[in-house]
Amino acid sequence: GENVEQHPSTLSVQEGDSAVIKCTYSDSASNYFPWYKQELGKRPQLIIDIRSNVGEKKDQRIAVTLNKTAKHFSLHITETQPEDSAVYFCAASIQGLLTGGGNKLTFGTGTQLKVEL
Amino acid sequence: KAGVTQTPRYLIKTRGQQVTLSCSPISGHRSVSWYQQTPGQGLQFLFEYFSETQRNKGNFPGRFSGRQFSNSRSEMNVSTLELGDSALYLCASSSSGESGNTIYFGEGSWLTVV
Repeated sequence: GENVEQHPSTLSVQEGDSAVIKCTYSDSASNYFPWYKQELGKRPQLIIDIRSNVGEKKDQRIAVTLNKTAKHFSLHITETQPEDSAVYFCAASIQGLLTGGGNKLTFGTGTQLKVEL
Repeated sequence: KAGVTQTPRYLIKTRGQQVTLSCSPISGHRSVSWYQQTPGQGLQFLFEYFSETQRNKGNFPGRFSGRQFSNSRSEMNVSTLELGDSALYLCASSSSGESGNTIYFGEGSWLTVV
């Protein structure tokens, strides 16, 4: 089955700096890669996602890049703010009714991001 | 549009008991998935239901089961509870599973087994 590795497990940055979290996946059939932010005691919230037909996607201070050949994808947060402090999870999924993929997400182990003042 | 709703939010059970958790997906969504989140194992997929049929299943023992109703609402059941079942159980909903579907999570049900 799919295996997703995520690094680093903890990341501490100064406010205003950039943060980068990297994930690799094992199943080349995976075609959907979301990123979730989870604050303590709360649900995972989708912050950005990318599909296999796209190499990069941006949304304000957040961007995600995908390298299908190397089977890795990364989250980039620029101009970090204290409210960015949370645990970030990457995930991979095979979507598509024709493949019977459904909506099973395989998650990475999470990155605790701390933005210091 | 209401989000994914899970009940109950918190519950405490004794070893050997069983528990049923409920999930109402976003209106119009037909796919409901369940995940277990623990500090040690992270987020793990339990199963997914689509149009009342189990479409995917994770690597959990048969004590973990689920079902989906015609209105897309879903329940999961854990029988003969063990201490290790203490976790946050998350429900996620999505339109169908075709490419292009976003998956949204509910607030979760915190289960403590004592």
